[in-house]
Amino acid sequence: SQQGEEDPQALSIQEGENATMNCSYKTSINNLQWYRQNSGRGLVHLILIRSNEREKHSGRLRVTLDTSKKSSSLLITASRAADTASYFCAPSGSARQLTFGSGTQLTVLP
Amino acid sequence: DTEVTQTPKHLVMGMTNKKSLKCEQHMGHRAMYWYKQKAKKPPELMFVYSYEKLSINESVPSRFSPECPNSSLLNLHLHALQPEDSALYLCASSHPSGRYNEQFFGPGTRLTVL
Repeated sequence: SQQGEEDPQALSIQEGENATMNCSYKTSINNLQWYRQNSGRGLVHLILIRSNEREKHSGRLRVTLDTSKKSSSLLITASRAADTASYFCAPSGSARQLTFGSGTQLTVLP
Repeated sequence: DTEVTQTPKHLVMGMTNKKSLKCEQHMGHRAMYWYKQKAKKPPELMFVYSYEKLSINESVPSRFSPECPNSSLLNLHLHALQPEDSALYLCASSHPSGRYNEQFFGPGTRLTVL
């Protein structure tokens, strides 16, 4: 199974600013997913980008995927305090299992 | 109904106890998962059930025993646990067929082993 590695491990920004998180992985994928986890809660699926897509938008989220560099980024625009959470990428290969990376802890300060 | 529910929310047990965690979904998903998550770490896959059959066991100790009695329910039976098994246990479900495998997670059971 795949494993993603997120960068940075922690990010602290002011409300209204944009937040960018990066994910790198090692082998070929079928798709790459991003999840959010509020403290001590379950994960929430944010967005899925397929291996043949380069960019995808969902509300204030923008995800890019560069399969040649084996990397993805998640951009959250106009951040809010409620966006404070851990964000995990999950590259998924043919086995369709998810292996989560170490995550980025985002703190949005009011 | 797009929810995965888990009970109990919190569980404290001694090392000699036997307890069970329960997970339920009514989205018609035929793949269900158990994950273990320690503090400040990502979730780690424990078991995968596909069409009520165990398809993946990630070398989990036998003191954890999964059960999938029907397509909506997933249990995790616990016996003779160790303090290091204290963690958040997450259940998830997804469509097993098809190309993409977005997973829906429950809120988790916070387990403390004394």
